Amino acid sequence: EAAVTQSPRSKVAVTGGKVTLSCHQTNNHDYMYWYRQDTGHGLRLIHYSYVADSTEKGDIPDGYKASRPSQENFSLILELASLSQTAVYFCASSEDIYAEQFFGPGTRLTVL
Amino acid sequence: GQQVQQSPASLVLQEGENAELQCNFSSTATQLQWFYQSPGGSLVSLLSNPSGTKHTGRLTSTTVTKERRSSLHISSSQTTDSGTYLCAPYQGGRALIFGTGTTVSVSP
Repeated sequence: EAAVTQSPRSKVAVTGGKVTLSCHQTNNHDYMYWYRQDTGHGLRLIHYSYVADSTEKGDIPDGYKASRPSQENFSLILELASLSQTAVYFCASSEDIYAEQFFGPGTRLTVL
Repeated sequence: GQQVQQSPASLVLQEGENAELQCNFSSTATQLQWFYQSPGGSLVSLLSNPSGTKHTGRLTSTTVTKERRSSLHISSSQTTDSGTYLCAPYQGGRALIFGTGTTVSVSP
C-alpha cells in the first residue's frame, strides 16, 4: 500500500524562526503536494512538484518555499514563521495529476 | 478560480440511516475525488468519480459533469462512518481544490 510519511508530527515554533517540514513517499510517485488545513477553509494547495529539483506554486505560496531533492522527498520551508502559519500541514503524492492522491498523517504546526 | 460548496455542513444520523452529501463546483472538472477525514485528522481517498455513478462498499457517488455537481450516498450508516467528507474537483490540470466538507456524526 502507498506510504507517505511526514516529520515532525507536531511542532511549536517561534515567530520569525525557520521551520522545515519533511515528507517522504515510497510509492514511486512523480507528483507530490503540500496542503495546509485551517478550520473553515478546507485544504489549500501551497506547492507541488512533478519531478525532482523542480517545484510549482499552488494557490497560497506566499511565505513558503518548497524543495524536492529526490523523487521520494519533498520539504516545505517557512523561512520566517508567522502566527498566521499556524495550521495542520498535509503532504500527498500521486502517480499523475489526475490520479488518486495518498496523504500523509499531517503535521500540526503552532507558531507562537 | 474553482469554488466548491458542500452541503449540508453537518449531519447527525442514527446508525442504520442513509445519508446524501452534496458537492457543487463552479468550473468544469475533469476529475473529482471524495475523501474521508477521520476525527483524528487522517485523510483517505474514498473514490474518484469524474462522471457517472461509482460504487464502493456502502458508498455511491454520482457526478453530473455538465451540471457541476456530485453527490455521495452513504447507505446503512455505522458509527465508524463518523468524520468529515471532503469533495475535491480538479481545475484544469492543477491539483485538487477542496470543499470545506460535511461533518457526519453517527450515533448508535
